[in-house]
Amino acid sequence: GESVGLHLPTLSVQEGDNSIINCAYSNSASDYFIWYKQESGKGPQFIIDIRSNMDKRQGQRVTVLLNKTVKHLSLQIAATQPGDSAVYFCAETAAGGTSYGKLTFGQGTILTVHP
Amino acid sequence: GAVVSQHPSWVICKSGTSVKIECRSLDFQATTMFWYRQFPKQSLMLMATSNEGSKATYEQGVEKDKFLINHASLTLSTLTVTSAHPEDSSFYICSASATNEKLFFGSGTQLSVL
Repeated sequence: GESVGLHLPTLSVQEGDNSIINCAYSNSASDYFIWYKQESGKGPQFIIDIRSNMDKRQGQRVTVLLNKTVKHLSLQIAATQPGDSAVYFCAETAAGGTSYGKLTFGQGTILTVHP
Repeated sequence: GAVVSQHPSWVICKSGTSVKIECRSLDFQATTMFWYRQFPKQSLMLMATSNEGSKATYEQGVEKDKFLINHASLTLSTLTVTSAHPEDSSFYICSASATNEKLFFGSGTQLSVL
């Protein structure tokens, strides 16, 4: 039969504002975390990653924060632009090093940026 | 950067027919490929892990006889949805990685079964 649809969390911001997208993970053994951006009808696009031995990592306009104590991950997007509108997923894996293991994806957040 | 090509990008088929989806790594050798399924407004769910030259490992609840995976070379994995039914309609996404390298995703295949 059909899968029960879930309503993804949504975040609406104005262009130029900063956006914060949150993600809770459940596996204490996960040691590698990735944020992906997915536009409609496309595959996930890598944004930024972080290993469990770090609590913060910065990229271009994006910052990922990791709080292992409460198993929480966040993605901060500075000066959000309309082109940032998409669904954002966090993913976790117990990579055990530099290689990827199987990824477990979070539920996703729909980001809408208004001009 | 590394590119993973997925084909076709969309397919419509009649109930009871089989559909093959290809996933190719264009500029690297993919020792491992993963197949995901995504229903509308939902997250990606891993279906199976495909290692070159060996049988795929399926996640719990995924029928291996229905979703046939072949990873015959280091650059190609295929997913065949056999005897497709409307409930198999979904967005199928592959990903690939080389040893000790990051994962790259294909652009996805939208399957609609009538």
